[in-house]
Amino acid sequence: EAGVVQSPRYKIIEKKQPVAFWCNPISGHNTLYWYRQNLGQGPELLIRYENEEAVDDSQLPKDRFSAERLKGVDSTLKIQPAELGDSAVYLCASSSWTSGGVNEQFFGPGTRLTVL
Amino acid sequence: DQQVKQNSPSLSVQEGRISILNCDYTNSMFDYFLWYKKYPAEGPTFLISISSIKDKNEDGRFTVFLNKSAKHLSLHIVPSQPGDSAVYFCAASGTGNQFYFGTGTSLTVIP
Repeated sequence: EAGVVQSPRYKIIEKKQPVAFWCNPISGHNTLYWYRQNLGQGPELLIRYENEEAVDDSQLPKDRFSAERLKGVDSTLKIQPAELGDSAVYLCASSSWTSGGVNEQFFGPGTRLTVL
Repeated sequence: DQQVKQNSPSLSVQEGRISILNCDYTNSMFDYFLWYKKYPAEGPTFLISISSIKDKNEDGRFTVFLNKSAKHLSLHIVPSQPGDSAVYFCAASGTGNQFYFGTGTSLTVIP
């Protein structure tokens, strides 16, 4: 079974430039998450989708961040314009409930963004 | 407000000995807890979980203990191996599909 795929793996941009990240979740996973992880910190939720609906975007800085999940599968996260403080690893994850009632969340490798 | 806390940023253990990683949480509504392991340049990978109806879950060398009254859980690795060297994140979830993560503990197993 293929895992969560993210691209690009690394991105270096100058401040005020736009940037976009792409995520392909595990097939059949209805829930998709975007997290931001700063150095020395744990992942912090930016947005959570149930199918194509964003059900929790309270931590998403909506003035510069946007996300979409077309057809409830792939998702993109965009930052426009990027600021120096946006440098971080952006993680995508997907999850599903097992028959045993366990919600297993699987992460992609992340995109390391550096804003200069 | 950090709802899941890992107060030890790092831990060093001799190979073959026990590693104990600790995690505290503040939200009594959390009912599902997980440990993730993360190597550099990779995303976190699921290691082991425990439901609030249990106080112990074991999987090979890994055991998670949950103390609900103290809002505390711990991960025991025995015996520790050099390949266990990684950053370990504790996470918690309540109703729904939202997960809250701790800040991580970097484990180094010394050969």
